Amino acid sequence: QVQLQESGPGLVKSSETLSLRCTVSGGPITNYFWTWLRQPAGKGLEWIGRINTIGSANYNPSLKSRVTISIDTSNNHFSLEMTSVTAADTAVYYCARYSTSSGCFDPWGQGTLVTVSS
Amino acid sequence: DIQMTQAPSSVSASVGDRVIITCRASQDISSWLTWYQQKPGKAPKVLIYVASSLQGGVPSRFSGSGSGTDFTLTISSLQPEDSATYYCQQAHSLPLTFGGGTKVEIK
Repeated sequence: QVQLQESGPGLVKSSETLSLRCTVSGGPITNYFWTWLRQPAGKGLEWIGRINTIGSANYNPSLKSRVTISIDTSNNHFSLEMTSVTAADTAVYYCARYSTSSGCFDPWGQGTLVTVSS
Repeated sequence: DIQMTQAPSSVSASVGDRVIITCRASQDISSWLTWYQQKPGKAPKVLIYVASSLQGGVPSRFSGSGSGTDFTLTISSLQPEDSATYYCQQAHSLPLTFGGGTKVEIK
C-alpha cells in the first residue's frame, strides 16, 4: 500500500525558506494530486496546495505568494518550499495524496513539526 | 473561500451513547464532504467520503448524511477508542477547506 513520509529541517529561522520533501513508497506517484497541509499546535487543518503528476499546481490564496510545490515523478517524491517564514508558520506539516474522485486526502504522512525561530 | 462550520466544538458522552456532529458549508457543496478522525499526535484518518460513503475498514457505527450545505456525522454507539477530534472537509472548490473540529471525549 502507498505510504508517504515527510522529511526536512525541524527548525527554520524567521525570514528564511522552509523546505520539505515527501517521499512516496509502495506505488507510483501517478494519477492523483499530491498535497501539503499543515496544523499549528492545538489548531485546525489548513490546505497549503497540491500538484499533479504533470506538474500543474494549485495553492491556497492565503499562502500563494510564498509557496511552491514541485514534483519528481522519476524519484517518487514531491516537495514544498515556503519563503519568508514567520512564527505563524510553526506547525506540523503533512503530505497526503488527494483523489478528485472521492474528494479526500488519503493516505497521509505521519507529519513533521517545523518550528520557526527568531 | 467556502467556510465550514462544525458544531459542537466539543462533546462529552458516555460509552454507548449516540453522538451527532454537524457541519455547515457557507455555500452549496453538493455531496463533496469528507469526515476525518484525528487522535493526538497522529495524522487524520478518513471515516466518510462524499458525505455518506464509509471508508473501508471503518466501523459501521460511523455514518454520514446530508447534501448541499448541511451535513452530519453520527456515531451510533460511542466506544472508548472513538475519543478523538473530528473534522469535516469540503472538496467542492479550491481552496479545499476544513471545519474547525469537534473534540469528542468519553465521560
